[in-house]
Amino acid sequence: SQQGEEDPQALSIQEGENATMNCSYKTSINNLQWYRQNSGRGLVHLILIRSNEREKHSGRLRVTLDTSKKSSSLLITASRAADTASYFCATDEDGGSQGNLIFGKGTKLSVKP
Amino acid sequence: DAGVTQSPTHLIKTRGQQVTLRCSPKSGHDTVSWYQQALGQGPQFIFQYYEEEERQRGNFPDRFSGHQFPNYSSELNVNALLLGDSALYLCASSFPTGFYGYTFGSGTRLTVV
Repeated sequence: SQQGEEDPQALSIQEGENATMNCSYKTSINNLQWYRQNSGRGLVHLILIRSNEREKHSGRLRVTLDTSKKSSSLLITASRAADTASYFCATDEDGGSQGNLIFGKGTKLSVKP
Repeated sequence: DAGVTQSPTHLIKTRGQQVTLRCSPKSGHDTVSWYQQALGQGPQFIFQYYEEEERQRGNFPDRFSGHQFPNYSSELNVNALLLGDSALYLCASSFPTGFYGYTFGSGTRLTVV
């Protein structure tokens, strides 16, 4: 079963614009993680935000977490063509199986030069 | 610093055959998790190995089995392959609690014909 649901499913923007992706989930979590995947290859860990954190930054990435709404957002600022990829949120459930990350179906981001 | 290494990168098997996929974790990590990613979907948790034992298992049939070796590397075995087993198989390594997130390999693309 998949817990996270990313929105939108696909996003197309111009280089230099900001990209915002949203994720909703269903249960209490320990943390929420965002991953990038290029063309069906391996996942690259972008950022982890814990349930007691509300916002986190890493370079051009900004992640927010609202546990009351069970939602998170990933903002990529000043996007580049190299940011073109699929982005997944994954939740580590509170009380769930350790190591059992639950992924959404992803947002496919296309950044046009 | 070597990340997670998976082999082979691509594999074609015939329905009914058996397959073994291999994973070497990132240096310093002792926990290995396996995920199956069907085309257009997010990864789904198969199982996790720690201290050479299966610690957690997702909703996958017994045809899927694994092993972890004393050097922390791991194998995923799938018996009696079905067409529906065609997917990208991802290995992720971490510390036991996954507190700092997971490092994924580039995956093995399995095609069952």
